[in-house]
Amino acid sequence: DGGITQSPKYLFRKEGQNVTLSCEQNLNHDAMYWYRQDPGQGLRLIYYSQIVNDFQKGDIAEGYSVSREKKESFPLTVTSAQKNPTAFYLCATTSVRGQGGNQPQHFGDGTRLSIL
Amino acid sequence: AQSVTQLDSHVSVSEGTPVLLRCNYSSSYSPSLFWYVQHPNKGLQLLLKYTSAATLVKGINGFEAEFKKSETSFHLTKPSAHMSDAAEYFCVVSGGTALIFGKGTTLSVSS
Repeated sequence: DGGITQSPKYLFRKEGQNVTLSCEQNLNHDAMYWYRQDPGQGLRLIYYSQIVNDFQKGDIAEGYSVSREKKESFPLTVTSAQKNPTAFYLCATTSVRGQGGNQPQHFGDGTRLSIL
Repeated sequence: AQSVTQLDSHVSVSEGTPVLLRCNYSSSYSPSLFWYVQHPNKGLQLLLKYTSAATLVKGINGFEAEFKKSETSFHLTKPSAHMSDAAEYFCVVSGGTALIFGKGTTLSVSS
């Protein structure tokens, strides 16, 4: 089945540790996005990528890093510089490069990150 | 700049009664608008989208929304609520290369 797979579903981070959240898609979509969701705040854009080997910062990129080495994969690393990482992280894709703001986005089921 | 405001953080209805979730938007150009639904610990699912065709947009599960340019509104409605409609709903406006999300409205449905 076509879709977006995020793993793990739950993740715990120790003080000073970097953790990586996985996002894999088999929809053959060009553009991929990472959002952070906090209660009562909606979704905020962390990073997005419209093509392999290229990505742009969103509104809250500090303390996060990404890579886009393959079309299917867009992993997000939460670094130790992110002092408040506890949140629900959502990956999304859209089919049309450069039109991510005008086309519907497809979402994975998210990863919930907590601090130990 | 584009922005979206969901006017109610929480709406409670009884099963079988109408649902109204309110959304106002601000955009410097003719926007694309979306409503998404999110069930607990899940991703977002597209309910409907407006992209400058008909102003009354029909979506999945009996939901519809009306684009009113004069009021800069895009309210979501359903004639009769079902228990399975209990979820969080997001109004979203196009923002160039990415979407801009409202803060969400939690819909509770009681029997």
